[in-house]
Amino acid sequence: SQQGEEDPQALSIQEGENATMNCSYKTSINNLQWYRQNSGRGLVHLILIRSNEREKHSGRLRVTLDTSKKSSSLLITASRAADTASYFCATEGYNNNDMRFGAGTRLTVKP
Amino acid sequence: DVKVTQSSRYLVKRTGEKVFLECVQDMDHENMFWYRQDPGLGLRLIYFSYDVKMKEKGDIPEGYSVSREKKERFSLILESASTNQTSMYLCASSLRDYNSPLHFGNGTRLTVT
Repeated sequence: SQQGEEDPQALSIQEGENATMNCSYKTSINNLQWYRQNSGRGLVHLILIRSNEREKHSGRLRVTLDTSKKSSSLLITASRAADTASYFCATEGYNNNDMRFGAGTRLTVKP
Repeated sequence: DVKVTQSSRYLVKRTGEKVFLECVQDMDHENMFWYRQDPGLGLRLIYFSYDVKMKEKGDIPEGYSVSREKKERFSLILESASTNQTSMYLCASSLRDYNSPLHFGNGTRLTVT
C-alpha cells in the first residue's frame, strides 16, 4: 500500500515564488526522502531526512519532518521554470530497505 | 555517477505474450527494485531484491515474477501480459545501507494491446 501521500496533487505558481509541498505517512520510518521526476523520465533523488532530524537544507530546498504528526514538507524557494516537475516523497522503513512512494505533486512554475 | 539502464524505452506487446524487462546497474548496489507508475497512483512497488537470487514481494506482485542471477541485473517478467499491465515501469538500485537513496533508470513504457 502507499505509504506517503502528497498534498496538493497539483500546484501552479509564478517564477520567483516559493513552492511548498506536503507529505503524510502512516507508519514508523527510518527516513523520508524527496524525489523529482521530469516528464517521462526516471526519478532523481533530491534530499533525505532521517527520523531523528527535524529540518534539512540543500541549496534552494528546505525539508522539515515532524514524526509526531507523521508529516514532512518540501519548500522550494525562489522557484524557476526549470523546477517544473513532479515531486514525490518516499519513506524507508526498517525492513530490508523497502521504499514506499506517494502519488506525487505536480508543480508548474510559470515564467 | 550511478547508472541504471533499462533495456527498452518503449515496448508494445500483445495480450498473453511473455514479456521481459531488463535492468542493469553499474555501481555494485546490493538492492534493486521494480516499480510501476500509473497516473494518480504514484509508484507502486512490485518486487525488490537485496542480494543475488533473493527477492521479496512488494505491494502488487500478482502477474509478475523477477530474476536476479547476477548482482548487476534485475529482470521483471510478465508471464502472460494483460492490458491492465500497460504502465510505466521503473527500475531502481541502492546500497544495502539504510539512508541510501534510490537511483532510477529512465523507465520503460509498456503498452499491452
